[in-house]
Amino acid sequence: GDSVTQMEGPVTLSEEAFLTINCTYTATGYPSLFWYVQYPGEGLQLLLKATKADDKGSNKGFEATYRKETTSFHLEKGSVQVSDSAVYFCALRWSNSGYALNFGKGTSLLVTP
Amino acid sequence: DVKVTQSSRYLVKRTGEKVFLECVQDMDHENMFWYRQDPGLGLRLIYFSYDVKMKEKGDIPEGYSVSREKKERFSLILESASTNQTSMYLCASSPQVGWYEQYFGPGTRLTVT
Repeated sequence: GDSVTQMEGPVTLSEEAFLTINCTYTATGYPSLFWYVQYPGEGLQLLLKATKADDKGSNKGFEATYRKETTSFHLEKGSVQVSDSAVYFCALRWSNSGYALNFGKGTSLLVTP
Repeated sequence: DVKVTQSSRYLVKRTGEKVFLECVQDMDHENMFWYRQDPGLGLRLIYFSYDVKMKEKGDIPEGYSVSREKKERFSLILESASTNQTSMYLCASSPQVGWYEQYFGPGTRLTVT
């Protein structure tokens, strides 16, 4: 079935470092892809999304490009801040599937000053 | 502003008790979801509802039931709580079929002793 695999954390970076969190997917058809973020003590928030191949989602300095040839949707940010410390979830939804999202296991990011 | 609220942030119950977790959304969304979040396992779908009085099982429905009598309210019921149901429970909602983004509540951390 459809699934998402993310790199395991925790990831610890110094402020202003470059961030990459890998995400690959397995799906039939053409899924839509998402990154959600969960700050400490809060629910999940949509960070960015891409609904077709070669789309780039971006928000708050984060970017991810939907790569159909490598079935990937890696999250990147050029210069992380302490406030980016959170858990990041990759998710997919196949356009012809039911209503729910398939989530990866999450990657914890800690940014130190 | 989009709003999904959950009745409790923290809940402690005893084994064998009947537990109700309530979720309310004020966005007139058709779809509502219940997930549980566990370390190393990510989010797993328990149940979802695409209309009033309609429900579908997710990946891990065993030991849970749901109720949706009104469009804005989706309840998760643990008929007889067990210690392996200690977890973070997240409610989400989304508009009509074909809309991909889900909006999450802050979560309820349930401890069963």
